[in-house]
Amino acid sequence: EAQVTQNPRYLITVTGKKLTVTCSQNMNHEYMSWYRQDPGLGLRQIYYSMNVEVTDKGDVPEGYKVSRKEKRNFPLILESPSPNQTSLYFCASSSIRTDTQYFGPGTRLTVL
Amino acid sequence: DAKTTQPTSMDCAEGRAANLPCNHSTISGNEYVYWYRQIHSQGPQYIIHGLKNNETNEMASLIITEDRKSSTLILPHATLRDTAVYYCIVRGAGGTSYGKLTFGQGTILTVHP
Repeated sequence: EAQVTQNPRYLITVTGKKLTVTCSQNMNHEYMSWYRQDPGLGLRQIYYSMNVEVTDKGDVPEGYKVSRKEKRNFPLILESPSPNQTSLYFCASSSIRTDTQYFGPGTRLTVL
Repeated sequence: DAKTTQPTSMDCAEGRAANLPCNHSTISGNEYVYWYRQIHSQGPQYIIHGLKNNETNEMASLIITEDRKSSTLILPHATLRDTAVYYCIVRGAGGTSYGKLTFGQGTILTVHP
């Protein structure tokens, strides 16, 4: 089944403790992206990647890192999480030949 | 990237057509208009997209004005399961900006029995 998976789905952590949210897709898509969603603010893009070793900033990249060493994986790294990064995070992927983005189920992160 | 403006909320009776407007007055000539929806904190779902011609698929129709400054998403026979937040987005154009998506605030569509 074609899908985008994220892990963990739920995470509660403390300020300053490094964490990684994984994202994986099995559709051989070139394009992958991370979004965060906060009440009243809609979806905001954090980072995106057009292909392996190619990443670029979205609208709200501060406090986040990403890497794209393999085509199928696009982890989101929070080196020193802060409470303002408490949010619902979505990963997405698409082929650059089509125009449809497939979204993962979401990761709900709480930073205390 | 072009910004989009959508009404905050809309209501629709079940079985009737739902018409959701979007303004994108600063859209450039090679930018596409996309529509996605999100049901209760699930991952957004693609609906339809277009450049300048009207488009139709099994889910919806997209009407883009001739000057491309606005568009309307039409759900021809809304059901209760269509209750969701609908996002109109404009895709960045060209080169490494291809993947840069900017979501609007979205319209909360509530379909009533």
